[in-house]
This record gives sequence, structure tokens and C-alpha cells, in this order.
Amino acid sequence: NAGVMQNPRHLVRRRGQEARLRCSPMKGHSHVYWYRQLPEEGLKFMVYLQKENIIDESGMPKERFSAEFPKEGPSILRIQQVVRGDSAAYFCASSPPVNGGQETQYFGPGTRLLVL
Amino acid sequence: AQSVTQLDSQVPVFEEAPVELRCNYSSSVSVYLFWYVQYPNQGLQLLLKYLSGSTLVKGINGFEAEFNKSQTSFHLRKPSVHISDTAEYFCAVISFGNEKLTFGTGTRLTIIP
Repeated sequence: NAGVMQNPRHLVRRRGQEARLRCSPMKGHSHVYWYRQLPEEGLKFMVYLQKENIIDESGMPKERFSAEFPKEGPSILRIQQVVRGDSAAYFCASSPPVNGGQETQYFGPGTRLLVL
Repeated sequence: AQSVTQLDSQVPVFEEAPVELRCNYSSSVSVYLFWYVQYPNQGLQLLLKYLSGSTLVKGINGFEAEFNKSQTSFHLRKPSVHISDTAEYFCAVISFGNEKLTFGTGTRLTIIP
């Protein structure tokens, strides 16, 4: 059973470009979470999705950031018009159908975004 | 709202010595508690979790943690560390009925040969 897969592992963008980060959950997992880790900080929740639905996006910046989890294919975190402050590691996690928070979230290896 | 405090940002320990990494949380409702480990340039791996029952939880790699409700703590311990334990350790909580993890800022464990 392959783990959570993320690609690319490293992404370099110039200011103003778009960044697309992909996440394929573990087999059988229908719930996806995105977290951001800024340098020297812990992970911060961004968004929680199920297939074709955004359940909780309370951690998403109001502008330039969007996420989706289509019926087919990976979940995508999209950052438009990137700025230097977007440089961070972005982690995706997945879990089976949730039972009130008890289900373990399994993390991918992350995408390290560097904005020049 | 919930929060997690990891008081020690860095902990150096001699090889084969015991270690305790501290974690305190605050929440207005009951919580589930987790410890994750992050090796350099890798994702997070679950070490152990507390959901209910016995307050002493055993995890992988010889780690254990004890849930103390009165002190709102969930400290991580290992009786004898190894060089391979060098990593960043994160404590995290989820409130009952919620799905988003709230993480502490992490503790970097360095093992001294």
C-alpha cells in the first residue's frame, strides 16, 4: 500500500508565477488535508477536503490560494502570483473516513517551495 | 480554540541516556493527542497517539508518552536514545469532533555520540 504521494518534491518559482502542488492520498483514503510549515515553525493547518468538497478552509489565506480534490485525480493546492513569503514546505495528509478526529492522518514527504 | 506548547526548541542528549520531550496543550473541550517525528527533509511519521483508556501510551522506536489531564500534558519519553533518534519531534492535538491537527513548534532532538 503506497503512502501519501506528493509532487513535485521541490519547486522553484519567481515572484508572480503560479505554483501547483499535487497530492495523491493513500489507497482507500477519501479525506485530504494540507498543512504549511514555515522555516523554524510547526505545521499550520490550511484546508481539509473530501472528494469534490471543501470541508474546512479556515487556515487558507484569503487571496491567491485555492485547493481542490476532484472526483478523479490528485488533490491540488494552487498558489497564484507567488511572493517570497510563500516559501515553505507544504505537506499533504490523508485519512480514512473520519471518526470525529480519531483517525490517524498520514503525511506525505512534502513539497518544498522556494520563491525567488 | 486549542493550542500546543513545546517548551524546549532544542534538546541535546548523550547516546544511551534517557530523554523527555515536553508538551502541554490547552483546549476548551476534550482532545486526542499525537506525537509525530520528522527526519531531515522528510514528511511526518506518527510515533504514538492517545485516544482514550490507559494514560500511558507506547509507540514505535521505543518511545512512550503519558497523558496527564490535570496538568494538560503529554510528555514523550525514551529510556535510552540512539543516534538514529536525531530528528524533530512535534506534539499535536485534535479536539473531539474536529479534524484539523494543531501542532506545537517542535523540539529538535540531537543525540551526542
